[in-house]
Amino acid sequence: QQQVKQSPQSLIVQKGGISIINCAYENTAFDYFPWYQQFPGKGPALLIAIRPDVSEKKEGRFTISFNKSAKQFSLHIMDSQPGDSATYFCAATTMLKTSYDKVIFGPGTSLSVIP
Amino acid sequence: KAGVTQTPRYLIKTRGQQVTLSCSPISGHRSVSWYQQTPGQGLQFLFEYFSETQRNKGNFPGRFSGRQFSNSRSEMNVSTLELGDSALYLCASSLDSISYEQYFGPGTRLTVT
Repeated sequence: QQQVKQSPQSLIVQKGGISIINCAYENTAFDYFPWYQQFPGKGPALLIAIRPDVSEKKEGRFTISFNKSAKQFSLHIMDSQPGDSATYFCAATTMLKTSYDKVIFGPGTSLSVIP
Repeated sequence: KAGVTQTPRYLIKTRGQQVTLSCSPISGHRSVSWYQQTPGQGLQFLFEYFSETQRNKGNFPGRFSGRQFSNSRSEMNVSTLELGDSALYLCASSLDSISYEQYFGPGTRLTVT
């Protein structure tokens, strides 16, 4: 019930195309869903995050779509660029008033954007 | 503002030894979490510290331990190293106990031979 599933495992997109990564969760207590971007040799960097009270959040070329009833959320990267080539992790966690649960990460998606 | 720093960046140890890794959070951040990243298991939560207290712990054996100091700096220790402990160990800091946003350091690459 704590697992976060992520697909695809790897993705190749042409420059200018749309990259789409999907995630699914089971624990309905999760209330914060971040996406992280990781370049080789670096730690993950917070990219964008969403709470379940909204269905979509957009920041620049990055958009999260959230479907609470299906317990799924996805990352869309519009106008994908070679510089977007990295590994992307979705994650989920709960944050109660006085406690903090561990963050569950998806297995990651390796994105390659080719010119 | 300086980011999360981790030392050392690379470490090679022999099976059976112990190791201590250090993490300095972003200035003003009081919560520090540790993660293990491996190609096979991905990112796995180790533990989280806030105000020098461990608030949560992942499913790792007791050989993995940590602590946090009054200045929010944190250390994690792994005793009796095993080959399977080879991984990238990541530290993440957040502002406080109710802040959702975590900021990761570059990690310490531990190789156990």
